Amino acid sequence: DSGVTQTPKHLITATGQRVTLRCSPRSGDLSVYWYQQSLDQGLQFLIQYYNGEERAKGNILERFSAQQFPDLHSELNLSSLELGDSALYFCASSRDRGYTDTQYFGPGTRLTVL
Amino acid sequence: GQQVMQIPQYQHVQEGEDFTTYCNSSTTLSNIQWYKQRPGGHPVFLIQLVKSGEVKKQKRLTFQFGEAKKNSSLHITATQTTDVGTYFCAGLSNSGYALNFGKGTSLLVTP
Repeated sequence: DSGVTQTPKHLITATGQRVTLRCSPRSGDLSVYWYQQSLDQGLQFLIQYYNGEERAKGNILERFSAQQFPDLHSELNLSSLELGDSALYFCASSRDRGYTDTQYFGPGTRLTVL
Repeated sequence: GQQVMQIPQYQHVQEGEDFTTYCNSSTTLSNIQWYKQRPGGHPVFLIQLVKSGEVKKQKRLTFQFGEAKKNSSLHITATQTTDVGTYFCAGLSNSGYALNFGKGTSLLVTP
């Protein structure tokens, strides 16, 4: 158990819909990262928040957005869902800004878009 | 942009055989991290390498960072069935803010 929690564990929805994935970092960790893992693309970095502010942006689509709240939990919002958005979404957290920090991954949310 | 390439994509070995996965970057890395993901699980941090030519060992696992800090390797001696999983390297470029993960090497060990 990494100490990072993610909800829900599974999510099944239809194309065009909007979903919200939730992540609670380990106690004391200030950075939250979001990753998308699909079979053919491996682990794709989406976005990082540090202490409530966006810190780094990766291959995140415009249909996706995220935020980190004052209590440091984070939400990833996926809208206008397409079949290709079906994937495992991992959240990770680290103690600091992340340059050399260990990242602790949550168990993931499996999103299926039908 | 910076890319981190891993080879091989898959490796199937008999228990007791050695295994090596290689990670190559198009740019110089400030550090490299290795993670292991068991089937159905999430990535778990194994180690971080920072210095040029650095070698670190964890029991049967040996990690190396190249002299030019553009490549890295993970070698497992005498694999066991518990080594099954996907091994990812992740590099942070000198000008980057986030880790770029390779696509991973999936290791299957049969008894």
